[in-house]
Amino acid sequence: ETGVTQSPTHLIKTRGQQVTLRCSSQSGHNTVSWYQQALGQGPQFIFQYYREEENGRGNFPPRFSGLQFPNYSSELNVNALELDDSALYLCASSTHPGQGANEQFFGPGTRLTVL
Amino acid sequence: QKEVEQNSGPLSVPEGAIASLNCTYSDRGSQSFFWYRQYSGKSPELIMFIYSNGDKEDGRFTAQLNKASQYVSLLIRDSQPSDSATYLCAVNSGYSSASKIIFGSGTRLSIRP
Repeated sequence: ETGVTQSPTHLIKTRGQQVTLRCSSQSGHNTVSWYQQALGQGPQFIFQYYREEENGRGNFPPRFSGLQFPNYSSELNVNALELDDSALYLCASSTHPGQGANEQFFGPGTRLTVL
Repeated sequence: QKEVEQNSGPLSVPEGAIASLNCTYSDRGSQSFFWYRQYSGKSPELIMFIYSNGDKEDGRFTAQLNKASQYVSLLIRDSQPSDSATYLCAVNSGYSSASKIIFGSGTRLSIRP
């Protein structure tokens, strides 16, 4: 157990809908990163939040957006869902966003299915 | 060229033997390197990290880093059936202040009794 929690665990949506996924970071961690993991692939970096600001983004379209709250919990929002958005969505928390000692600890993930 | 490359496997190793997992990366500016273990249907679990050239040992696990060759490996000694999982190599991109971690696609390891 890493102390990182995510909700919901599973979600089924239809194409075109919008979805919000939630993450609570480990105690003492102020940085949250979100990843998308398709079946059989490694996690793909979506974006990172540090002190309530976006601090880096991967190759995902603007319909993927996020928020971080003062308690360092975070949301991932996806608009206009597409079939290819079906994946395991992971959040990971860490103590800081820097390049050095920055081990990230993952939550259990949210399995999103888009029909 | 993928940023982080791993052999997808499956790699089959007899119980008690040494499992050797390999990973290459393309960004020479990368500064930190991680190995995660992922059981089917579960999230990745951090098992090792390494920042400096050479070897780092933690119990049955040894991570090896060669920045000149852009190569990182993980050795698992005395392999156990519980080590059967997908092992993800991850590299912290060196050109951004954000900890953008790039993952490989993973190597499936199977320990046969």
